[in-house]
Amino acid sequence: QLQLQESGPGLVKPSETLSLTCTVSSGSISGTTYYWGWIRQPPGKGLEWIGIIFASGTTFYNPSLRSRVTISVHTSRKQFSLEVASVTAADTAVFYCVRGTHDVDNLDMWGQGTMVTVSS
Amino acid sequence: QSVLTQPPSVSAAPGQKVTISCSGSSSNIGNKYVSWYQQLPGTAPKLLIYEDYKRPSGIPDRFSGSKSGTSATLGITGLQTGDEADYYCGTWDTSLLAGVFGGGTKLTVL
Repeated sequence: QLQLQESGPGLVKPSETLSLTCTVSSGSISGTTYYWGWIRQPPGKGLEWIGIIFASGTTFYNPSLRSRVTISVHTSRKQFSLEVASVTAADTAVFYCVRGTHDVDNLDMWGQGTMVTVSS
Repeated sequence: QSVLTQPPSVSAAPGQKVTISCSGSSSNIGNKYVSWYQQLPGTAPKLLIYEDYKRPSGIPDRFSGSKSGTSATLGITGLQTGDEADYYCGTWDTSLLAGVFGGGTKLTVL
């Protein structure tokens, strides 16, 4: 059974870069059927779509975050990563890595989520 | 403000039926598939409905989805206390070239 697992620091200082990695267990991260992405949820609030990446490296980002976000894929390691630059307290959230299906855009696999707090 | 509009909350008694609406536009719901996600307290969201009305394996037929024009609806029949959760609609927006979610609806089973 394919599983996704987020990893990375739980605390980041303001103005620094938040970096998270998602490791995919079983199956392949390559191919064109699926894409891989990040969703975040500030405490007590709703879901916010951050961005996705295909195995080819093609990316799509939330326009409101595009200037600060980079998503990369490392197919040989079955990992993909997220970087958010110049973070502020408003970036404090639970971050989920997800798998989506191309053309139908359903997010059928979710990681358990990892809480990241931005604070000095 | 979310691109997709959902009611903040709905409630109904056990055994009853409830519907949750999701309103969008021609650049999202009007031309793309809608998914619904269930987020139980303290857990990650889970795919509940995909491609407007299909249910993943393991999702009971008490849950249903439909779409008309630029709006989608999630229906839940035979409500159980275990259905208390936040429900989100999601889809792709062809103008933003990004995924979008509704603001979420909190279901209370009285």
